[in-house]
Order: sequence, then C-alpha cells, then structure tokens
Amino acid sequence: QSALTQPPSASGSPGQSVTISCTGTSSDVGGYNYVSWYQQHPGKAPKLVIYEVTKRPSGVPDRFSGSKSGNTASLTVSGLQAEDEADYFCSSFAVRNSWVFGGGTKLTVL
Amino acid sequence: QVQLVQSGAEVQKPGASVKVSCKASGYTFTSHHIHWVRQAPGQGLEWMGFIFSSGGTSYAQTFQGRLTVTRDTSTSTVYLELSSLTSEDTADYYCARDRGGGSYSVDVWGQGTTVTVSS
Repeated sequence: QSALTQPPSASGSPGQSVTISCTGTSSDVGGYNYVSWYQQHPGKAPKLVIYEVTKRPSGVPDRFSGSKSGNTASLTVSGLQAEDEADYFCSSFAVRNSWVFGGGTKLTVL
Repeated sequence: QVQLVQSGAEVQKPGASVKVSCKASGYTFTSHHIHWVRQAPGQGLEWMGFIFSSGGTSYAQTFQGRLTVTRDTSTSTVYLELSSLTSEDTADYYCARDRGGGSYSVDVWGQGTTVTVSS
C-alpha cells in the first residue's frame, strides 16, 4: 500500500485559512469514508483532529474542518493561530483491513 | 484518564530483534484495538499493524514475516516484536488506541519508544 500524497509544506498568516490536500486511490481514500487527520508538534505524539472525513473529536476547535472529493481529502484550518503551526498527517482505511498514512505537511504560520 | 505507557528506549544490533511494550489504563482494555505506528527521524508516520479487541492481528504487507503483535489481558499490555532489524528500522515506535465505533482512527497515543539499530 503506497503512502498517501500530501504537499510537503503549507503556510498562511494569522487569521487566514489554509487547506491541505491528501490524495490516494480508490483502494483507500476514494473507497472509504474513513479519512483521519493528525496534528503533531515537534517532539510530541500525534493528536487526532478529524476522523471519518468531517468529524471533530471533542476539544478540537471548529476552526478545523475536513472534506473529501473522489480520491482526495482535504483539511482546512480557518482563523490560523500561532499554535496551529505543526506537522499534519492524513490517514485512511484501505483494502485488506490495512491503514495508510500520508507523508505529512509542515504548516507554517507566518 | 486513558493512558498508554510504553517501555524505554532500545539500542539493538543489525539482525537482532526488539520487543516494545505498551501498557494501557483508564479504560476497558479488551474493548479497543491497539495499533502500532512508527516514525523514522524527520520522516512521516508509517502504519505497522494492529491487534483487534478480540485478539486477532492484521499487519502491513511491508512487515509480514518479521512483525508480531501480542497482548497480555491480565496486565492490559500490548507487545510489538520486530525481528531481523536493519538501520532502516531506526525510528520512534508508537502504540495508539483505536477510537472504536468503526471510525478507523486513533484517539490516544503512547509517548513513543525510540529504537536505534546500530552496530
């Protein structure tokens, strides 16, 4: 199972919105509504911010939203804040009861 | 609170095996799958496999034949054992609890265990 494709970097100024894409295939992203997004600050374990494409766990600000079209999922962070600067990884359930992650996107708040 | 606490850092020689533990607390251990995910230095996350709440396992094709995930329900501990280590296995290894409810996501992570493979 090949890794999902994410842009290596993204950036935005405080208060702006940024969207990060995650492209897979019909065997993963396109075939299931089980895309998740994780935020990881340096030296820390990842944190779940979106699951099942669009759902937010309790405690995650509504500035974080997810969507999907075909084989591409997206994470949008609105009203950017300094603490949003982190690495973001997508993941998807895939065929044969497996999971696959994206390569990660480094989000910089300018 | 829900916690996953992993064993300490390991240094192993090429060709050896490593066993990492992950002790769960704060929830019903047999109600959630546990996944293993690794992250090489400066790299992305890589899913390795998981143990179902029922005790069955599923492994990524990349690790078939050299990865074994087991558990001890009496101590609420899950184990990852990886054999035939090479320098490419140098990474932080995380256990993570499946959120459950068919969401195919993980909501609680261990603190990570650094495994270094070096001669």
